[in-house]
Amino acid sequence: AQTVTQSQPEMSVQEAETVTLSCTYDTSESDYYLFWYKQPPSRQMILVIRQEAYKQQNATENRFSVNFQKAAKSFSLKISDSQLGDAAMYFCAYRELGGSARQLTFGSGTQLTVLP
Amino acid sequence: EADIYQTPRYLVIGTGKKITLECSQTMGHDKMYWYQQDPGMELHLIHYSYGVNSTEKGDLSSESTVSRIRTEHFPLTLESARPSHTSQYLCASTPAGPRNYGYTFGSGTRLTVV
Repeated sequence: AQTVTQSQPEMSVQEAETVTLSCTYDTSESDYYLFWYKQPPSRQMILVIRQEAYKQQNATENRFSVNFQKAAKSFSLKISDSQLGDAAMYFCAYRELGGSARQLTFGSGTQLTVLP
Repeated sequence: EADIYQTPRYLVIGTGKKITLECSQTMGHDKMYWYQQDPGMELHLIHYSYGVNSTEKGDLSSESTVSRIRTEHFPLTLESARPSHTSQYLCASTPAGPRNYGYTFGSGTRLTVV
């Protein structure tokens, strides 16, 4: 079974600085998707960024980028120019391909605090 | 604007009551999911559905039940609520097919059983 590990339960960053959240996963598949989700306090979980395993290029979305190391099974999220609105719980998730409905496996989350 | 809706947003009920948490999506997604999110914020899959009339139990054992009579509707029912059911419940959906783009989540229902 696939597992996703986030080894940092909590992180903090100064406003305008850069922070990197770590994620590792375990799979025997060669093709899959990886995601970072953001859950602000008492608000809806939203997709931040996604990466397709067959693509070597790291995904970027504005201030958010990933460092995808397929051989190491590592998928870290970098947030540049951190803003107060970035404070949230961040979940790393793995998705296998294929027709199975049971697709997304989540990590345990990293609580990010942004300090003014 | 969310395309997946959960009601109620907050619910406080007494032990032994029957409750139904509603989840509806307007995107025509075939696959829907219920997650229980504990105080430590970790997500646990409790139910999922491939489509109409298809439901399966997830990784975390739950006393709740679900139904999927219509594509857009995936309600979760607790026949007799207990304090151990106090948690946040998240509903999510995704289209069928191997190459889609993750889940769309509802805003969640925070349930407190007293």
